[in-house]
Amino acid sequence: DAGITQSPRHKVTETGTPVTLRCHQTENHRYMYWYRQDPGHGLRLIHYSYGVKDTDKGEVSDGYSVSRSKTEDFLLTLESATSSQTSVYFCAISESGGPTEAFFGQGTRLTVV
Amino acid sequence: AQSVTQPDIHITVSEGASLELRCNYSYGATPYLFWYVQSPGQGLQLLLKYFSGDTLVQGIKGFEAEFKRSQSSFNLRKPSVHWSDAAEYFCAVVSRSSNTGKLIFGQGTTLQVKP
Repeated sequence: DAGITQSPRHKVTETGTPVTLRCHQTENHRYMYWYRQDPGHGLRLIHYSYGVKDTDKGEVSDGYSVSRSKTEDFLLTLESATSSQTSVYFCAISESGGPTEAFFGQGTRLTVV
Repeated sequence: AQSVTQPDIHITVSEGASLELRCNYSYGATPYLFWYVQSPGQGLQLLLKYFSGDTLVQGIKGFEAEFKRSQSSFNLRKPSVHWSDAAEYFCAVVSRSSNTGKLIFGQGTTLQVKP
């Protein structure tokens, strides 16, 4: 199994509070991604990174920010959580942006009350 | 707009029966194609992928998929389903031109296996 660790695995937070989710990899892969999974929508890309300090927006980036200060860590921050951000969040990594597979973490279930 | 469609949200098959899960994509050029499986409470695991070459690809757990350019399809098949195959299945694509590895997912198909 690819070395991807997401933390926390579960979190309940209140509306309006900041939340940070962490993805840590031991594979030294260049690309890292944050997806959210919602029923009926599959997985949708929030943000991705193609190197240290290099990030870009995905399909559903509003309300989220990311940072990557080290190759192995990719942080997803909800500056002020809303109920619409209740979801399961997955981190993924890949060696390149070309024809290669992505490996997924176990997911973080976030509930905003 | 680029999109991936899995027409079946839920499928129920009997154990031992054959399975086909459908996937259609809408892209300007043939993208890289993937099938992932997700067991309850777990992350996604790659079943198989198609980049080029032979249009019938073999994957793990006895699954195969066939790429049909004329139909913009990449359907997943298994000749005999086992109870442990009950899971959610996602078709996904990556644009060949983007060079970012961004996956676009279908909505997913939930497979239930009857004993």
